[in-house]
Amino acid sequence: EAGVAQSPRYKIIEKRQSVAFWCNPISGHATLYWYQQILGQGPKLLIQFQNNGVVDDSQLPKDRFSAERLKGVDSTLKIQPAKLEDSAVYLCASSRLAGGSRTDTQYFGPGTRLTVL
Amino acid sequence: RKEVEQDPGPFNVPEGATVAFNCTYSNSASQSFFWYRQDCRKEPKLLMSVYSSGNEDGRFTAQLNRASQYISLLIRDSKLSDSATYLCVVNPPGTYKYIFGTGTRLKVLA
Repeated sequence: EAGVAQSPRYKIIEKRQSVAFWCNPISGHATLYWYQQILGQGPKLLIQFQNNGVVDDSQLPKDRFSAERLKGVDSTLKIQPAKLEDSAVYLCASSRLAGGSRTDTQYFGPGTRLTVL
Repeated sequence: RKEVEQDPGPFNVPEGATVAFNCTYSNSASQSFFWYRQDCRKEPKLLMSVYSSGNEDGRFTAQLNRASQYISLLIRDSKLSDSATYLCVVNPPGTYKYIFGTGTRLKVLA
């Protein structure tokens, strides 16, 4: 079974520029998650989709971050404009079910390492 | 109080040692708990779910203490390959999401 795919793997931008990340979840997985992981911290949920609907985006900085999941499959996360504090690894994950269940495993992609100069 | 708290470590232990980590959670109604493992510059991977009665997978044992609101992970006979960050994950009640702790870093020394 193919895993969660993400691109690009690395991105370096200047502050105030825009950037977009792409994620392709495991085939058939209903739920897709975007996390931000700052060095030395655990992943922080930015947005969670179930199929193409948003389940939780309470920690997404909506003035600069946006995300969509077209047709309930692939997803893109965009930052516009970027700030220095956005430097982090952006992880995409997917799970077969709705999320939250003990029996529903999250599978993570390799992440995109963003550096904002 | 943070929703999920862990001692960041690092825990430095010799090969063959037994080591245990705890993780406290703030919402007493939380139902689902997990331990994930994250190697340096890699993505997190599920190590094990934590069941109310406790559960074991080889050298790894996870336990839940609802009264004190913490989960634990015990690693017996530590191997060099166990060196990683161990992330505690909790599903808050009434939600479908997961909250991660900051992780506990383990270094197993030869």
